[in-house]
Amino acid sequence: GAVVSQHPSRVICKSGTSVKIECRSLDFQATTMFWYRQFPKKSLMLMATSNEGSKATYEQGVEKDKFLINHASLTLSTLTVTSAHPEDSSFYICSALRPLTSGIINYEQYFGPGTRLTVT
Amino acid sequence: TQLLEQSPQFLSIQEGENLTVYCNSSSVFSSLQWYRQEPGEGPVLLVTVVTGGEVKKLKRLTFQFGDARKDSSLHITAAQTGDTGLYLCAGRVSGQNFVFGPGTRLSVLP
Repeated sequence: GAVVSQHPSRVICKSGTSVKIECRSLDFQATTMFWYRQFPKKSLMLMATSNEGSKATYEQGVEKDKFLINHASLTLSTLTVTSAHPEDSSFYICSALRPLTSGIINYEQYFGPGTRLTVT
Repeated sequence: TQLLEQSPQFLSIQEGENLTVYCNSSSVFSSLQWYRQEPGEGPVLLVTVVTGGEVKKLKRLTFQFGDARKDSSLHITAAQTGDTGLYLCAGRVSGQNFVFGPGTRLSVLP
């Protein structure tokens, strides 16, 4: 399987500061990565689609100026939570899209291990 | 609006029992993936099914994609405590767009 890493795994920050989370595809190139947020005991909530070399596409209700996404290379996407507030505390997970090596064009998502953000 | 439903939402069984969880939609998917997620970790891809009617086996786990590619099932034989987790299905609708189900939370008791 493919490997996706996230850093940091846990971060605690003070209200009003900014936090950057990195997502890397370690053994494949990903032109597309996704950023999700997950609340306790809930499924994944897609925040945005990160496209290498272009602007991210944000889901409805997600503030693009608050959650800055940069996909500067084929193996790295970053999510910066700006001016963090306690309500931003959550589990943030990224995934990277890898094409399936079959005759039909198809993709698989591989997830990072997640980042637990706590804003005090 | 694409919608994926999963059932049951919660399942608690004894070790050694068999179980089946379901993923259903009114939409057709070009592929469907199953993931298992443990607390505090990211989802881990278990399988991808692409062809209608396809059956894939992964040790004690059997995955089936419906003939019409609108639904899928996951059957676990002789469940073990290590199977405990949140099982998520995700359907690819078009291009690079995926839809996730709400998940089935499985607890396997010793």
